[in-house]
Amino acid sequence: EDKVVQSPLSLVVHEGDTVTLNCSYEVTNFRSLLWYKQEKKAPTFLFMLTSSGIEKKSGRLSSILDKKELFSILNITATQTGDSAIYLCAEKLSGAGSYQLTFGKGTKLSVIP
Amino acid sequence: DGGITQSPKYLFRKEGQNVTLSCEQNLNHDAMYWYRQDPGQGLRLIYYSQIVNDFQKGDIAEGYSVSREKKESFPLTVTSAQKNPTAFYLCASSRQGTTNNYGYTFGSGTRLTVV
Repeated sequence: EDKVVQSPLSLVVHEGDTVTLNCSYEVTNFRSLLWYKQEKKAPTFLFMLTSSGIEKKSGRLSSILDKKELFSILNITATQTGDSAIYLCAEKLSGAGSYQLTFGKGTKLSVIP
Repeated sequence: DGGITQSPKYLFRKEGQNVTLSCEQNLNHDAMYWYRQDPGQGLRLIYYSQIVNDFQKGDIAEGYSVSREKKESFPLTVTSAQKNPTAFYLCASSRQGTTNNYGYTFGSGTRLTVV
């Protein structure tokens, strides 16, 4: 059973649309929730969310965490073709001096002109 | 510039052969990780290492082996025991401790194809 579940798995939108990507996770040993963008090869870090209800924002991207309902959303406004990528959500688990990331399957976003 | 380097970018292997994927980082990170990515499967953890000369199995370690003789290097060997080795392999590193606010730094990946 997947511990981190992302939805939708794929999404096609037109430039200028606003999209919302979803990520739900398990609570056991939860420490934080991370979002990455993967365009071709290496995933690049977007956000780390630890506190519930506090929005993180970077340009047209924003994300928020709901620790009560165990989910996070990633919003992208005024989408551009350069936003086309796989967006990965990962749960950071607590551990002795280190941590692991458990990834969801990702949402493949395609933005068409 | 600091970073994490994986080589080669593309690798072809005949069935029954072992192959080693390289991962080197100059970020002075203590922890290193290997993930496998298949279409529609996300990233799955193969092995990870928190310190030199120590490593632990991840979720899908069967058919793989690693070593961590130096802090900078964490090579992954895909053995002939791995039944379905064709995949995209990502190496990552991170600072130790829970105060890290940037998650992992990833390499650019190696795409392995078994022919």
